[in-house]
Parts: sequence; structure tokens; C-alpha cells
Amino acid sequence: KNQVEQSPQSLIILEGKNCTLQCNYTVSPFSNLRWYKQDTGRGPVSLTIMTFSENTKSNGRYTATLDADTKQSSLHITASQLSDSASYICVVSAGEKKGTYKYIFGTGTRLKVLA
Amino acid sequence: SQTIHQWPATLVQPVGSPLSLECTVEGTSNPNLYWYRQAAGRGLQLLFYSIGIGQISSEVPQNLSASRPQDRQFILSSKKLLLSDSGFYLCAWNPALPGTNYGYTFGSGTRLTVV
Repeated sequence: KNQVEQSPQSLIILEGKNCTLQCNYTVSPFSNLRWYKQDTGRGPVSLTIMTFSENTKSNGRYTATLDADTKQSSLHITASQLSDSASYICVVSAGEKKGTYKYIFGTGTRLKVLA
Repeated sequence: SQTIHQWPATLVQPVGSPLSLECTVEGTSNPNLYWYRQAAGRGLQLLFYSIGIGQISSEVPQNLSASRPQDRQFILSSKKLLLSDSGFYLCAWNPALPGTNYGYTFGSGTRLTVV
């Protein structure tokens, strides 16, 4: 069964600190993995996308890693800011027949950054 | 550039009343369109998707229905709302290009509260 699990469920950190969010998946056949940021009351916005052959990808203070062997990904946030307070959702896509893709969503990690 | 519009942003409706949420996409043709629901503290649940005008697929049997009267318009409806229909509804799109994997672009969401 295709599943995406994220941890921790929620996280509180002080402004300026770093943090790491985890995503474990059992999706087959794996196509790619995306991290989305969802501000409260808004739609998710894509942060990074990683394919099977990519280990690390950065977007400003956000760095995503992917270990395709262990089927794990992490999102590292450096020097956190108050605006980083949001839910972070891991989405893994699986290739299907006819060239289409199925997207499996994690339940997200809710991050709160305190001043 | 492509944009996606979703409205209203918030809605409070009594039990048993009808519902109509609208989503439109601009700057592209023949997009795949999706309706998701996000319950508090839970992941996104795919409700409906459409690959073309009048073509609707339902992922989860429920009190809701969807229609696609025009190429870039996707409507989520209900004849009689239930309390359990409360949630955050997201419209999303991606290009309908077989063999490609673009992920989603999400709308800004509609917060529905059924009272």
C-alpha cells in the first residue's frame, strides 16, 4: 500500500534556530518527491522537487534530501524566521499505467517559530 | 503565466443547505483539475478529478458532486450539506501532458463551516 508518513506531527522552535522535518514513504513505482509549504488558511506551495537520482536540493534556506534506498526524505530549515511558521507537506508521486501519476500526501508537520 | 482562482475564501452554511464552490484556471488549456478536502489535522483527501469537460472521476463516495461545464472551470457542489462536510477545500491543476509529472498548483482554498 502506498503511504507517506511525516514526523514530527508538530514542532515549535525559536527564531534563528535550525530544524529538520522527516518524510518516510512506501510508494512504488517511485517517480518523485515534493515538499510543499502551506500557510494557515492557504493552499500548499511547492518548495522543492526531487527525482530518484537527486540526493539534495536547496531553495534558499530550505534544503531537501532524499535517500531512495531507505525511502526517506528530510527538509532542513536553516536560520528559521517567523514566516516559516506553516505546515510542511511531503508528497510522493507514483507512476501508473498509461503514463499518468498518482500523488500520495503525507499528513504534514506543523511548524511554529517563536520570537 | 498560469493562475488558479478559487472562491469564496470562507463560507458558513447551515446543515441541509446547498453548496457551490468554484475554481477557474487561466493561462492554460485542457488542464487536469482536482478537488481536495483537508480536515483539521489530517492530510489532503482527493475528492474529484477531471481530465476534460464533462469528465469527472470520484475518488470517495460522499455527499458532494463536481462538474466541469467549461474547460477551465471546476465546480464542487452539494444539494444538502452535512456537518461532516466542514473542512478546507482546495482546487488544484496540472498540465494534461501524458508521461509528464508536474505535480500540482493549488488554489488558495475555501474554509467551509457547516453549522
